[in-house]
This record gives sequence, structure tokens and C-alpha cells, in this order.
Amino acid sequence: DAGITQSPRHKVTETGTPVTLRCHQTENHRYMYWYRQDPGHGLRLIHYSYGVKDTDKGEVSDGYSVSRSKTEDFLLTLESATSSQTSVYFCAISGQSMDEQFFGPGTRLTVL
Amino acid sequence: GIQVEQSPPDLILQEGANSTLRCNFSDSVNNLQWFHQNPWGQLINLFYIPSGTKQNGRLSATTVATERYSLLYISSSQTTDSGVYFCAVRPSNDYKLSFGAGTTVTVRA
Repeated sequence: DAGITQSPRHKVTETGTPVTLRCHQTENHRYMYWYRQDPGHGLRLIHYSYGVKDTDKGEVSDGYSVSRSKTEDFLLTLESATSSQTSVYFCAISGQSMDEQFFGPGTRLTVL
Repeated sequence: GIQVEQSPPDLILQEGANSTLRCNFSDSVNNLQWFHQNPWGQLINLFYIPSGTKQNGRLSATTVATERYSLLYISSSQTTDSGVYFCAVRPSNDYKLSFGAGTTVTVRA
């Protein structure tokens, strides 16, 4: 199994509070991704990173920011959480040639 | 963007039965993957198969890239095969995987 961990695994928060989700990998892979999974929408890309300090937006990036200061860590921040951001968040990684992607265990976030 | 269609949307099987899941996509791709999402929500890699045929135990997959489809075969199904099966593709001009809506498989003992 790919060495990917996500923390926290579950979080309940209130509207308007900041939230940071962490993805940590032990594979030294170049590419890292954040997806969200919602009923009726499948998995959709939020942001991705192609190297340390190199990130770009995905298809549903509004309300989210990311940072990658080390190869192994990719952080997703909700600056001011809203109920529409209640979802399951998955981190993924892939190697130099952007081939096979491997997914972490997911974080279930509930915004009340 | 690329369209990914999976069929059937739902499948109910008796333990021991065989089945075929299909994935159609609308453009050429560099990456095609099959995943199994188990009842606990974990996404498990089944196959990385942009073209050709692969087998792993009771599962096998075939991708015909020129005709833009992939098939996942489950043989001698077991209750542990239950869950949602996703096909995901990545076109050459994109970083992200685009997922199909999935096929929900229920295997009954």
C-alpha cells in the first residue's frame, strides 16, 4: 500500500471557522492532489501540487487554499468553512510521470 | 472536459456469479484506472490500464483505447467484492483524474 496518511480522519466544525487538513506521504512522489467526494458528483479535484511550493487550482477550488513546503506534506485550508464544504476529502499522490494515482484513507468533514 | 460513463449503475449478484462492468470515455487518455471503494470508504487501486489486458486473481480488465472503452471482469464473486467500482481517466492535457459515477455492486451470500 502507498504510504499516505491524512489527518484528522474525522472533524466536525462550525460555519466560519478555519480548518486545515493534512496529507502526508512517505513515497517521495512529486505530485499530490486534493479531491472531494460528494453524492451525485463523484470525486472532483480541488487543488494539486507538482512540486514544493508549486500548486495550481482544480475544478472546485473556490473557498480553498493549499500549501506545500515539503515534498511529503500537502495542506488543504478552508479559510472560513461553510456548510457546502461538508464532504469527504481525499488526498492522492502520483510519481514523476503522473501515472498511477494512489489515494489516502480520506477525511470526513462536517460543517454545522 | 472529458466525459466518463459507467454501466450498469447498480448490480446485484449472487455469490459465485461472474459480471462485467463497462467504462466509456469521450477522448483519448494517458491514464485509466479502476478503483474499488469499499463500504468503509477506502479507495483501493485495482488496475492501472491505459491500454491492454491485465489480471489480478479473480479480477481482470481490458482497455481498448482506440475505441475508448474499458471493461472490468469479476469472476466467482464474493461478498467482499461489494462496494462501488469507479473508472477514472486522465487526458494527456490534464493533471486530474476524471471519475465516472461508479457501479454499485452488491454480492449476496
